[in-house]
Amino acid sequence: QVQLVQSGAEVKKPGASVKVSCKASGYTFTSYDINWVRQATGQGLEWMGWMNPNSGNTGHAQKFQGRVTMTRNTSIRTAYMELSGLRSEDTAVYYCARGPSYDSINMDVWGQGTTVTVSS
Amino acid sequence: DIQMTQSPSSLSASVGDRVTITCRASQGIRNDLGWYQQKPGKAPKRLIYAASSLQSGVPSRFSGSGSGTEFTLTISSLQPEDFATYYCLQHNSYPGTFGQGTKVEIK
Repeated sequence: QVQLVQSGAEVKKPGASVKVSCKASGYTFTSYDINWVRQATGQGLEWMGWMNPNSGNTGHAQKFQGRVTMTRNTSIRTAYMELSGLRSEDTAVYYCARGPSYDSINMDVWGQGTTVTVSS
Repeated sequence: DIQMTQSPSSLSASVGDRVTITCRASQGIRNDLGWYQQKPGKAPKRLIYAASSLQSGVPSRFSGSGSGTEFTLTISSLQPEDFATYYCLQHNSYPGTFGQGTKVEIK
């Protein structure tokens, strides 16, 4: 079945970087874009950006300009999201979700989430 | 950016009740809208796509309607497993934007 499995929880200090992985199975990895969405505790969902695993092209929300990097390794069907310059406000659950490449944000299948805690 | 205004932010209902949640877009988005259900500690799950199409495997008591700027999610007869938070998402243009969420609680 179609599945996205994310890496485990992370604890980071302010100013550090975190890299979250998202491993795809059950479908053709390069046929769907991967989105990243985050959710702070008790808050709503916030779209961060997308990546096309075929081309490597990416796009992101303006607020993450200069801090977010999305990459992939097609040989192991895995997408990555790296967020740098971490601050306490980045403490959240980070989700990956796939969407068709012709309509990236139209997300159907989601990963289980990765908790990132930023604390000194 | 397109703003999605979702209402109400929370509601209390009983099993068997009909529940309606609304999302309003700040500009026309055709039918480029999905509805998601999220339970505590879990990832969102898509219920409706293209504003009114039922995701495979989702019970038929869920339905969506609307186009342009006004959209509705209806649960025809609320079941115990439906108590959760619901979000709309517009995917008409970048950045993708979610409604603020509606928490459906037990009366």
